[in-house]
Amino acid sequence: GDSVTQMEGPVTLSEEAFLTINCTYTATGYPSLFWYVQYPGEGLQLLLKATKADDKGSNKGFEATYRKETTSFHLEKGSVQVSDSAVYFCALSLAGGTSYGKLTFGQGTILTVHP
Amino acid sequence: NAGVTQTPKFRVLKTGQSMTLLCAQDMNHEYMYWYRQDPGMGLRLIHYSVGEGTTAKGEVPDGYNVSRLKKQNFLLGLESAAPSQTSVYFCASRGLAAITDTQYFGPGTRLTVL
Repeated sequence: GDSVTQMEGPVTLSEEAFLTINCTYTATGYPSLFWYVQYPGEGLQLLLKATKADDKGSNKGFEATYRKETTSFHLEKGSVQVSDSAVYFCALSLAGGTSYGKLTFGQGTILTVHP
Repeated sequence: NAGVTQTPKFRVLKTGQSMTLLCAQDMNHEYMYWYRQDPGMGLRLIHYSVGEGTTAKGEVPDGYNVSRLKKQNFLLGLESAAPSQTSVYFCASRGLAAITDTQYFGPGTRLTVL
């Protein structure tokens, strides 16, 4: 079946450090890929998305490129801030009418940024 | 706009008790979803609905029932709660426009079953 695998966490960084959170997927067909973020005590919010191979999603300084050849969608940010501390989820959604936009999530990666 | 709201925010149940979680959205979305979030497992789909009066099973439907009598509401029921159902429950909705449209999530309900 379809699945998403994220790097093991938690990740702890100092402010202004470079961030990478790895995400790889297995899917039948051609999925759309997403990164969602969950701040403490809140629901999930879409951070960025990409709908086809080689697309780059970006938002709030975060970027991720849809790599079909390596089935990956790694999240990066050049300089993290304390306010980026959250849980990050990679997810996929298959195209096609019978998928109904259902999301398959990775296990989540906890990011803590210290001043 | 309120977006997606969930009621209640917290609940503690005893084993065998029943309860209903309410999800409401004001975005006129066709699709609605119930997920549960457990440590180290991400979010898993319980049930979903593709329109008023329709429901379908997701990845982990056992022990739950749902109803979508009105387009804006999606109810999740636990008929006989078990400790294994201790979790955080999230509702989400999505428009019909495109398969890549964004899912909007509610703030969650934290349920503890003793």
